[in-house]
Amino acid sequence: DGGITQSPKYLFRKEGQNVTLSCEQNLNHDAMYWYRQDPGQGLRLIYYSQIVNDFQKGDIAEGYSVSREKKESFPLTVTSAQKNPTAFYLCASSRRQGGSSGANVLTFGAGSRLTVL
Amino acid sequence: GQQLNQSPQSMFIQEGEDVSMNCTSSSIFNTWLWYKQDPGEGPVLLIALYKAGELTSNGRLTAQFGITRKDSFLNISASIPSDVGIYFCAGPEGNKLVFGAGTILRVKS
Repeated sequence: DGGITQSPKYLFRKEGQNVTLSCEQNLNHDAMYWYRQDPGQGLRLIYYSQIVNDFQKGDIAEGYSVSREKKESFPLTVTSAQKNPTAFYLCASSRRQGGSSGANVLTFGAGSRLTVL
Repeated sequence: GQQLNQSPQSMFIQEGEDVSMNCTSSSIFNTWLWYKQDPGEGPVLLIALYKAGELTSNGRLTAQFGITRKDSFLNISASIPSDVGIYFCAGPEGNKLVFGAGTILRVKS
């Protein structure tokens, strides 16, 4: 079955460490996204990529970095510059935005919970 | 960026009750999406709306695309315990999707 796999599900980090969250999809989707979720704040966009080797900052990109070397993969690195990294991180993918109806529909992974100790 | 206002923020449900929630935006959308998130999981698409005035059902769920294209409504009929979770509305902004803050459904004890 096609879907999005995020790993690890739970991650603990010491202050000052970088960590990388994995996101892999086998839906043959062009676009991939990273969202951060905090209680009561909904989903906030960190980074997104519409095509391999290209990505754009979302609303809260500071302290994060991404790469898109393969269509299937969009890892997110939470750097030590992120002041409050404890959160639930969601990866999503879609067909390329714009164009026909249905292109805006995102499919989400199960999420990764990062806790800074 | 675009902000979606979702209400209510939270509500308690008793099994068998009907539930209503809505979402408004300051600009026109050509698509409205409704997602549900179970605790500790990613959101799952419930209903997608593509046309002003459209009314679409998915089992006990019914959603409507407001005629002004600036709002949408989600109704759940005869709620059951597994309806608890967070419900998000979403709409496209350029090549991104923006989300409301969510409506949390809890069960009355």
